[in-house]
Amino acid sequence: DVKVTQSSRYLVKRTGEKVFLECVQDMDHENMFWYRQDPGLGLRLIYFSYDVKMKEKGDIPEGYSVSREKKERFSLILESASTNQTSMYLCASSFSGANQPQHFGDGTRLSIL
Amino acid sequence: DQQVKQNSPSLSVQEGRISILNCDYTNSMFDYFLWYKKYPAEGPTFLISISSIKDKNEDGRFTVFLNKSAKHLSLHIVPSQPGDSAVYFCAAIRQGAQKLVFGQGTRLTINP
Repeated sequence: DVKVTQSSRYLVKRTGEKVFLECVQDMDHENMFWYRQDPGLGLRLIYFSYDVKMKEKGDIPEGYSVSREKKERFSLILESASTNQTSMYLCASSFSGANQPQHFGDGTRLSIL
Repeated sequence: DQQVKQNSPSLSVQEGRISILNCDYTNSMFDYFLWYKKYPAEGPTFLISISSIKDKNEDGRFTVFLNKSAKHLSLHIVPSQPGDSAVYFCAAIRQGAQKLVFGQGTRLTINP
């Protein structure tokens, strides 16, 4: 069974802090993704990675960066947290190739005060 | 530009009846479509998918229909059960891409 684990379920940080969200998957998936979910907006892709040390911008990369030093781990970094980054953050992973479903972690509810 | 749209934010259905969730898309390059189900405080889980070469895919109580000419897909759940109460997201991907494009989601409530 695929397991995508996000390090924190709930996180509260202050404006201006550097925030790290961690995600680990145990299925040897090539692809990993970071989304944020906001009411009425669905899931929006922030960044994704298709291989170690490779990354591509998604639809809303501003204010974020990512790191993928190992295949199983994908980190999302908020360089200087702002209140508009308060959201639910979801990590996902999948095999590469056509038509591979993404498997999601349970999410991190991040509040920026 | 919202390429995948779920125009109904919420839907309420009686237990035992059919639930029909709708999704429209604008990009004709999409060739694979998925439905995900999300409970509160959990991540989305993959439910069912359909390739553009088909117009129907069935898995137990869940059936997805695709109308390519109308750029429309729908998810039918029959019979609906209380455990089906969740937010449902449709998603689409175009050939060769790795990125899914998600709709806004529809909150389905099954009433006893």
